[in-house]
Amino acid sequence: GENVEQHPSTLSVQEGDSAVIKCTYSDSASNYFPWYKQELGKRPQLIIDIRSNVGEKKDQRIAVTLNKTAKHFSLHITETQPEDSAVYFCAAKRTGGFKTIFGAGTRLFVKA
Amino acid sequence: DTEVTQTPKHLVMGMTNKKSLKCEQHMGHRAMYWYKQKAKKPPELMFVYSYEKLSINESVPSRFSPECPNSSLLNLHLHALQPEDSALYLCASSAQGAETEAFFGQGTRLTVV
Repeated sequence: GENVEQHPSTLSVQEGDSAVIKCTYSDSASNYFPWYKQELGKRPQLIIDIRSNVGEKKDQRIAVTLNKTAKHFSLHITETQPEDSAVYFCAAKRTGGFKTIFGAGTRLFVKA
Repeated sequence: DTEVTQTPKHLVMGMTNKKSLKCEQHMGHRAMYWYKQKAKKPPELMFVYSYEKLSINESVPSRFSPECPNSSLLNLHLHALQPEDSALYLCASSAQGAETEAFFGQGTRLTVV
């Protein structure tokens, strides 16, 4: 069935360092890949997304890359700050579908 | 307005109670969702409504009953829940069509005693 694997499950970095979270999806028909950030006790919020016709997208300190052939996509956060500490979920969705398949999540700790 | 509003924020209910969770959005989105989220887990899809019709039911027990009275409102009626149903219940909405993000409400923290 459809599946999204996410690694690592926990990531601890020093403030100012970069953080990378990697995901792999199984459904070849997936063509939309959102990333959600969820702070403790709050709702998941979209931070960046990428569509299958694009290989890379950047928004200030956040970038996402997609390799459709390998079915891999990654989130890169540069110059991390303590407020980046949260759980990050990658996800995959197919055209015309309603189901968003979430990865298991990565808990990011940014130490000041 | 990019808000999805859920009420109540917190709910404690007994196993014999009947309660309802409510969700409202005014973004003109025609797809609305209920998710259940346990601690340290991703959101788990329960139901999807598209144009006010139930499109997906992820084999959810009948003690959870969704309702979509109109294009802006989504309810989840709860009856005879079990303690293991305690979780954060998230409503979300998205524009109809491919490749669209889901906007989540802040959730209802449900505790079944």
